[in-house]
Amino acid sequence: EAGVTQSPTHLIKTRGQQATLRCSPISGHTSVYWYQQALGLGLQFLLWYDEGEERNRGNFPPRFSGRQFPNYSSELNVNALELEDSALYLCASSFPEEYGYTFGSGTRLTVV
Amino acid sequence: EDQVTQSPEALRLQEGESSSLNCSYTVSGLRGLFWYRQDPGKGPEFLFTLYSAGEEKEKERLKATLTKKESFLHITAPKPEDSATYLCAVQASGGATNKLIFGTGTLLAVQP
Repeated sequence: EAGVTQSPTHLIKTRGQQATLRCSPISGHTSVYWYQQALGLGLQFLLWYDEGEERNRGNFPPRFSGRQFPNYSSELNVNALELEDSALYLCASSFPEEYGYTFGSGTRLTVV
Repeated sequence: EDQVTQSPEALRLQEGESSSLNCSYTVSGLRGLFWYRQDPGKGPEFLFTLYSAGEEKEKERLKATLTKKESFLHITAPKPEDSATYLCAVQASGGATNKLIFGTGTLLAVQP
């Protein structure tokens, strides 16, 4: 069974640009979660999507947004990139009532 | 506010030297407590879920226990391949969120 897949693995952007990160959940999982892991910090909750709708978002500015497609894959968009957005962005998936979830390997975003 | 604190921040052990990692938590209502292992540059890998005080789970050299205020991850006779960052997270019951609240992790180094 394929796990959670994320693309690209690495992404380098210039300050002010936009970044798009993609995630494919485990087959059958309808919930997708996005987390940010900045260097030296713990995982910070960004967004939760289920059945195509945003169910909850963390304490991040509106320039962090995303969507979930009918096939349950998801996209995270970060607009007007700032240097402090440099981090490992992790996607995870689960069944909506499942406890805990499975993570992908992440996208390393570097803003220069 | 729901919070997770892990200690120590870093731990260096000799191969075969057993020890324990601590996870203290404050949560309005505990739905589950999770332990993950994370290797450098990779996503967290699920280890255990604990649901209620007194519960214990084991996997190879690892054993997780849970009380009403904290969880311990006991590592018995560790090997160099156990070197990783160990993350603890809690999921609160109630509310409209499935988010996990993570601690900042314990970086474990096991020397041969």
